[in-house]
Amino acid sequence: ETGVTQTPRHLVMGMTNKKSLKCEQHLGHNAMYWYKQSAKKPLELMFVYSLEERVENNSVPSRFSPECPNSSHLFLHLHTLQPEDSALYLCASSHSSGGSDTQYFGPGTRLTVL
Amino acid sequence: DQQVKQNSPSLSVQEGRISILNCDYTNSMFDYFLWYKKYPAEGPTFLISISSIKDKNEDGRFTVFLNKSAKHLSLHIVPSQPGDSAVYFCAASARGGADGLTFGKGTHLIIQP
Repeated sequence: ETGVTQTPRHLVMGMTNKKSLKCEQHLGHNAMYWYKQSAKKPLELMFVYSLEERVENNSVPSRFSPECPNSSHLFLHLHTLQPEDSALYLCASSHSSGGSDTQYFGPGTRLTVL
Repeated sequence: DQQVKQNSPSLSVQEGRISILNCDYTNSMFDYFLWYKKYPAEGPTFLISISSIKDKNEDGRFTVFLNKSAKHLSLHIVPSQPGDSAVYFCAASARGGADGLTFGKGTHLIIQP
């Protein structure tokens, strides 16, 4: 399999649930990212990992917890979310975390919080 | 405040004609710009990019123009084809700065037969 994959593609969860989103990249990249896209808003950067270390955290609430066990895998652990957290969550990867490297996106996970 | 702006939420163009999508930015530290295309239920797909040292980059039917003094870039698609109907996002980054991309809200391009 090539490119960036994300599972699950759709997720419905209650506010008391704990769930995880998974991202895997098959491009040999060293940097991975989580973005959030809410309705009628631009994509918002959430987290950046470079060589498995977090280098950016854009003031994301602690109910979102990222994990990067290796350069090919990225997780987003979710707990006690709010309905306003319903959105499309996109994972991306790039060769490095330098600003001029093109990022390649996965298909996203459509999250609905009830 | 939005640092990357796409002021046209939608654009309708006849098949075979030129499509011009516009993007403005406010952060003078941005030095790398990208266009992504997104179909429903899919992630954004990289289309074309341009570095601030250039003012034009061309790839087949797609050309991106950068006007640094005006902090403006545009994407030209010619000739437009039905498969070009999608949402187009402008994105920017600053080398040595934040490592993620800053996106505009997108423009929905509709190619009419």
